[in-house]
Amino acid sequence: DTAVSQTPKYLVTQMGNDKSIKCEQNLGHDTMYWYKQDSKKFLKIMFSYNNKELIINETVPNRFSPKSPDKAHLNLHINSLELGDSAVYFCASSPYEESEAFFGQGTRLTVV
Amino acid sequence: SQQGEEDPQALSIQEGENATMNCSYKTSINNLQWYRQNSGRGLVHLILIRSNEREKHSGRLRVTLDTSKKSSSLLITASRAADTASYFCATASGTYKYIFGTGTRLKVLA
Repeated sequence: DTAVSQTPKYLVTQMGNDKSIKCEQNLGHDTMYWYKQDSKKFLKIMFSYNNKELIINETVPNRFSPKSPDKAHLNLHINSLELGDSAVYFCASSPYEESEAFFGQGTRLTVV
Repeated sequence: SQQGEEDPQALSIQEGENATMNCSYKTSINNLQWYRQNSGRGLVHLILIRSNEREKHSGRLRVTLDTSKKSSSLLITASRAADTASYFCATASGTYKYIFGTGTRLKVLA
């Protein structure tokens, strides 16, 4: 059983389109995150949620909108995609703040 | 930028040798964690060291933490080809986010 699963794994889309990435964790964790990994492998926090409540929005453009319908899911919707949005997006979860985090396998987004 | 820094950026060693990578960070922390990322995969947690700990071991991994210098090191002993991956440190400071270092790419040659 995959602990943190993201779909899709690959996403190729044109500039200006809207797309969503889904994330589900079956670990019963309270906290979930979205991270962006750029072409230089730098990992940066985008959002963190605790018990479905948004805790951190790390100066992410409002074209990015996370949604947590329940504790097990944290989806990421991106409007009006730009070339600079091309990156690998990782979902992660942890049982509580600062504990070990479990990452999904990533979604490689390519905007053309 | 809050991002931590790791050195070296890349490291190439022979199987059986030890690999040491270093991490420096900028703010006070509650704990520091190390993660491994295989090519094209997600990150896997390796070890967590709390701010009041100086050294921790897990199998072939040894982590040290010097909070006065805001630095940590990860030692992998008797490396194997399967250890080839990128290694990241991540700090936690009670802010619902992990701040990652820039990563060290380790290549272990068989």
